[in-house]
Amino acid sequence: AQRVTQPEKLLSVFKGAPVELKCNYSYSGSPELFWYVQYSRQRLQLLLRHISRESIKGFTADLNKGETSFHLKKPFAQEEDSAMYYCALRQAGTALIFGKGTTLSVSS
Amino acid sequence: EAGVAQSPRYKIIEKRQSVAFWCNPISGHATLYWYQQILGQGPKLLIQFQNNGVVDDSQLPKDRFSAERLKGVDSTLKIQPAKLEDSAVYLCASSLAQEARETQYFGPGTRLLVL
Repeated sequence: AQRVTQPEKLLSVFKGAPVELKCNYSYSGSPELFWYVQYSRQRLQLLLRHISRESIKGFTADLNKGETSFHLKKPFAQEEDSAMYYCALRQAGTALIFGKGTTLSVSS
Repeated sequence: EAGVAQSPRYKIIEKRQSVAFWCNPISGHATLYWYQQILGQGPKLLIQFQNNGVVDDSQLPKDRFSAERLKGVDSTLKIQPAKLEDSAVYLCASSLAQEARETQYFGPGTRLLVL
């Protein structure tokens, strides 16, 4: 069965510290992987997708098919990064399958 | 461009009552999704439409939930009768097409509390 696992419910870091939000998936095939973010009082929005290989707001994520992981990383956390982060996968023609989410809290 | 619109934003009902949610997707988006997000969980798909046809409703509790997308634009999701465990945020999302690369845009959600 397709599944996305985010092992941490909460990740607390200090401003300027590196951040790594973990995501593991189980899927037999080639899904697309995404990170979605929800800032306080805002709607869920796409942060980045693995196929784009881009850096958004300083965040990057590399798909590791051997480890079936898609961890989200940022070298220096900012307070405005505090939000709920969801990892998700999708097969062509289907809807997103989300993990349970990780709350990132960045304090000064 | 205007985003996905949903109404109402909040709803409180008693168990066994009925409730309906409305979604207006982004103009031109053929694919529409309804997700249920229970507190502490990620969103879970209830139903997916392609234009006015159902693509996937395998996780929709059809004994109490129904959804339609007449004319392939707006959509309504109904619960009748509601149960306590239906308390959740109901998210509507839309995308241009079904392909995996297409971005899904989410509405603000409707927060339902069943007492």
